[in-house]
Amino acid sequence: QKEVEQNSGPLSVPEGAIASLNCTYSDRGSQSFFWYRQYSGKSPELIMFIYSNGDKEDGRFTAQLNKASQYVSLLIRDSQPSDSATYLCAAEMNRDDKIIFGKGTRLHILP
Amino acid sequence: DVKVTQSSRYLVKRTGEKVFLECVQDMDHENMFWYRQDPGLGLRLIYFSYDVKMKEKGDIPEGYSVSREKKERFSLILESASTNQTSMYLCASSLLAGGTKPYEQYFGPGTRLTVT
Repeated sequence: QKEVEQNSGPLSVPEGAIASLNCTYSDRGSQSFFWYRQYSGKSPELIMFIYSNGDKEDGRFTAQLNKASQYVSLLIRDSQPSDSATYLCAAEMNRDDKIIFGKGTRLHILP
Repeated sequence: DVKVTQSSRYLVKRTGEKVFLECVQDMDHENMFWYRQDPGLGLRLIYFSYDVKMKEKGDIPEGYSVSREKKERFSLILESASTNQTSMYLCASSLLAGGTKPYEQYFGPGTRLTVT
């Protein structure tokens, strides 16, 4: 069974601090990884994707990928209350058009 | 911008009714997906389609069927709604995998279906 695992949280982070969200995946053949943000009652919104080992930065967000450890992370710098949401990690599996989603980590930014 | 729309945000149906959920995307994406999302269970794939008139079962297809007559439209059908189908239903679309472009999925706003 191909899986993406995330800690469900909630993860509480003070405003202005760095929030670190982590994810592991089971399929060593996965090539592409995605982070979605989902506000309560809303649909998931793509915020980052990453293919290569290392870091990818976009504004306050940094995605990190370590294929040897099968580990993906999302760092949110200068956390804001508006970052409070559930963050879904996802991985494509064997280029078969499907994406496997983790169950998400709830992030709460403390004002 | 990719736009995925769903026919209803909220829907209330009675047990045994036939229910149609419609999804339309405007980005000429090959792939379209139907998920349901329940607390503690995450997103679960019901069906997906990679081309007109093509469909493949996802993880939980029982009690559902789909139709894709046009590239931009993907319908989910509950033949006889049951209370355990009360859920948030999410449609998504993406490019076809295998090329060099990313094929991340873009979601519609969701339909919260209640079956009483």
